[in-house]
Amino acid sequence: GQQLNQSPQSMFIQEGEDVSMNCTSSSIFNTWLWYKQDPGEGPVLLIALYKAGELTSNGRLTAQFGITRKDSFLNISASIPSDVGIYFCAGRDNYGQNFVFGPGTRLSVLP
Amino acid sequence: EAGVTQFPSHSVIEKGQTVTLRCDPISGHDNLYWYRRVMGKEIKFLLHFVKESKQDESGMPNNRFLAERTGGTYSTLKVQPAELEDSGVYFCASSQDPGQRQETQYFGPGTRLLVL
Repeated sequence: GQQLNQSPQSMFIQEGEDVSMNCTSSSIFNTWLWYKQDPGEGPVLLIALYKAGELTSNGRLTAQFGITRKDSFLNISASIPSDVGIYFCAGRDNYGQNFVFGPGTRLSVLP
Repeated sequence: EAGVTQFPSHSVIEKGQTVTLRCDPISGHDNLYWYRRVMGKEIKFLLHFVKESKQDESGMPNNRFLAERTGGTYSTLKVQPAELEDSGVYFCASSQDPGQRQETQYFGPGTRLLVL
């Protein structure tokens, strides 16, 4: 079946640094989503992408839908302690189909 | 507006026992999804309800898992008998329009199940 890979698996950064993570697939997707899960909570949608090449921002977060439609990137600028959590990407190839999730990138922010 | 709620938040049971998880979706959301995350791995789709009907149950691991949504409101997921590999976090999500381009699934906080 379809699988998503996320890298890095985990990362430790200093507060104030910028962060980049990515998500890749062996198949083409038409929708990419980025979620964040805080400890003890469920995933919360951060950014949704619907078109190849699309670049969308949400505050300090920016995500891009890769041109090949097989990858997506999430950048966080000027990280703060509350950015700590697990970031999941999810994709699907057709509207109405189920989403496939990646294994997540665990982010730790050191003060 | 209340979000998706799940009960219990944690459950520790012995192998062979039965556990029932409950999910209350956002009011008015016809679509309800169950997912599972085994430690360190991806969030895996289990099944999708539209109102009280099972739209897609292709992700259910085996016949020890039974999901119901009588009346099209809350849903239960029963595991009977539980096995060690069933341990993980079970998430429920709901949405309004799954066929629409901009569908947003809202997740509950999850039930952390540990089978000993």
